[in-house]
Amino acid sequence: AQTVTQSQPEMSVQEAETVTLSCTYDTSESDYYLFWYKQPPSRQMILVIRQEAYKQQNATENRFSVNFQKAAKSFSLKISDSQLGDAAMYFCAYRSIDNYGQNFVFGPGTRLSVLP
Amino acid sequence: GAVVSQHPSRVICKSGTSVKIECRSLDFQATTMFWYRQFPKKSLMLMATSNEGSKATYEQGVEKDKFLINHASLTLSTLTVTSAHPEDSSFYICSARGGFDGYTFGSGTRLTVV
Repeated sequence: AQTVTQSQPEMSVQEAETVTLSCTYDTSESDYYLFWYKQPPSRQMILVIRQEAYKQQNATENRFSVNFQKAAKSFSLKISDSQLGDAAMYFCAYRSIDNYGQNFVFGPGTRLSVLP
Repeated sequence: GAVVSQHPSRVICKSGTSVKIECRSLDFQATTMFWYRQFPKKSLMLMATSNEGSKATYEQGVEKDKFLINHASLTLSTLTVTSAHPEDSSFYICSARGGFDGYTFGSGTRLTVV
């Protein structure tokens, strides 16, 4: 079974600065998806970024980028130019690529605070 | 974009009663939906997978007789918490397979059993 670990329960960053959230995972599969989801106080799960494991290029979405190290099974999220609206819980998630309808495996989450 | 509507957003019920939570895909068909439970300051834990027209598959440790799941159409799945107790109080989130990014989450339901 796959597992996802986020070793930072809480992080804080100054507004306009850069912060990196860590995520490691364990799997025996060669192809899979990795995700970062944001959960603000509204509790709505919002997709931040997605990475396909078979793609070597790191995914980027505006101020959000990942550092995907497949051999090390590491998938960190970098948030540049942090904004107050980035404050939320961030969940790293894994999903198999093979099985139809496969569910997510979520990490325990990192609570990010953005300081003005 | 794909939208999953989850209703109600908040519900308070008395101990011993049942409460139904709806998860509806508004602009796409969802053959598979997932139900998660989230305890305060914790991650999402998968409870069950529901497939349209067939019985739900429950994760180990989840009581299928307490958490009844029905996926009668391609756009609607329901979770009924039967004979609710205070320990069932939690945040429940559904997810539907479909939409632009593959999976779309509902906005969640906060259940409080008093």
